[in-house]
Amino acid sequence: ETGVTQTPRHLVMGMTNKKSLKCEQHLGHNAMYWYKQSAKKPLELMFVYSLEERVENNSVPSRFSPECPNSSHLFLHLHTLQPEDSALYLCASSEDMNTGELFFGEGSRLTVL
Amino acid sequence: GQNIDQPTEMTATEGAIVQINCTYQTSGFNGLFWYQQHAGEAPTFLSYNVLDGLEEKGRFSSFLSRSKGYSYLLLKELQMKDSASYLCAVRSLYSGAGSYQLTFGKGTKLSVIP
Repeated sequence: ETGVTQTPRHLVMGMTNKKSLKCEQHLGHNAMYWYKQSAKKPLELMFVYSLEERVENNSVPSRFSPECPNSSHLFLHLHTLQPEDSALYLCASSEDMNTGELFFGEGSRLTVL
Repeated sequence: GQNIDQPTEMTATEGAIVQINCTYQTSGFNGLFWYQQHAGEAPTFLSYNVLDGLEEKGRFSSFLSRSKGYSYLLLKELQMKDSASYLCAVRSLYSGAGSYQLTFGKGTKLSVIP
């Protein structure tokens, strides 16, 4: 099993759809993250969870809703997205919130039509 | 706020040495990281500096000067597989809940040519 697994790898959705991105880490880490990567922009932190509690929410619109049911799983629920939300969504984990070395998943490439 | 600058693109020849610079402005600095990201793949950790000086790891070295807000990643004996984006990231006090988080630069796309 790879360290951090994301599904689906590719997703195309309409603006009225509801979908979810899933992330699973097999590293025994206590912190998990969602990052957004758009073309020609830096990786942008969206959410941070530590021990299943949300620690950071970087002013992300409510159409993105994270869920962390346990320390190994992280979801990003998507609802009424806009075309500008099309991007690569990367999940990452780290030993704890204060450890900078992040282990990233391969990402979910989202296209909003 | 935080600001991280690195060149957008660089080209270097196989077997050569290349230096990728990164300058940053931040408060509550707590370390600088370099990540490598091949096209279509996840970023992977390369190096970490928290004190001034040079950290060497095989063909890759990373340097930090905290007083100058400056770091570089040095890649020696370049190989074609080193063609990738190199992301500079600074860990600092985040504006939200006061935790330390990574802020990334836009990345430097390195092309290694024969």
